[in-house]
Amino acid sequence: NAGVTQTPKFRVLKTGQSMTLLCAQDMNHEYMYWYRQDPGMGLRLIHYSVGEGTTAKGEVPDGYNVSRLKKQNFLLGLESAAPSQTSVYFCASSYSKGKQFFGPGTRLTVL
Amino acid sequence: QQQVKQSPQSLIVQKGGISIINCAYENTAFDYFPWYQQFPGKGPALLIAIRPDVSEKKEGRFTISFNKSAKQFSLHIMDSQPGDSATYFCAAGGANAGGTSYGKLTFGQGTILTVHP
Repeated sequence: NAGVTQTPKFRVLKTGQSMTLLCAQDMNHEYMYWYRQDPGMGLRLIHYSVGEGTTAKGEVPDGYNVSRLKKQNFLLGLESAAPSQTSVYFCASSYSKGKQFFGPGTRLTVL
Repeated sequence: QQQVKQSPQSLIVQKGGISIINCAYENTAFDYFPWYQQFPGKGPALLIAIRPDVSEKKEGRFTISFNKSAKQFSLHIMDSQPGDSATYFCAAGGANAGGTSYGKLTFGQGTILTVHP
């Protein structure tokens, strides 16, 4: 039982490049979330999903897209990376009672 | 905009002392208040959580105090240990993921706790 895993762990991009972050969970959770963590700003919700095939915007969705084609996977895409998207990205999943389980994070640097 | 304000930003405590972190929220519809602990290089992990129908919840050395009328809640770490050194986040949200909240959480800004031996 791996819990929530994220790929890759680290990535460096140049401005304008694109990439996809992969989140996978093996707990059969319906809900999945993408957050970004920046110093002094806590965790801010980017997008979330309440089930396979559904996605919704969170607090800071601009510049990101997501897809949930399979229940266990939640993908976060950056179409044209900007330096402001330099951050640590966390994926989380939850069942109905609110407890969220977090992955280990992806550290992204955009030059 | 839903906000959760957390203080202090950083806290230094001696081993054996009490660590206290405070949070305040605005949205009275929140009904789930968890605290997360994060070690460097790791993802946050749930430490303890409380619902608004009780004023206090204790789990080992960790206690949440909740004041519904003031819209405030706090984390108390008794007998603080160097191993407690981490970043702590409070959060607020709806526990009923079947409703419009969908289990979403709004996080505070985080508190970096350092416990000196």
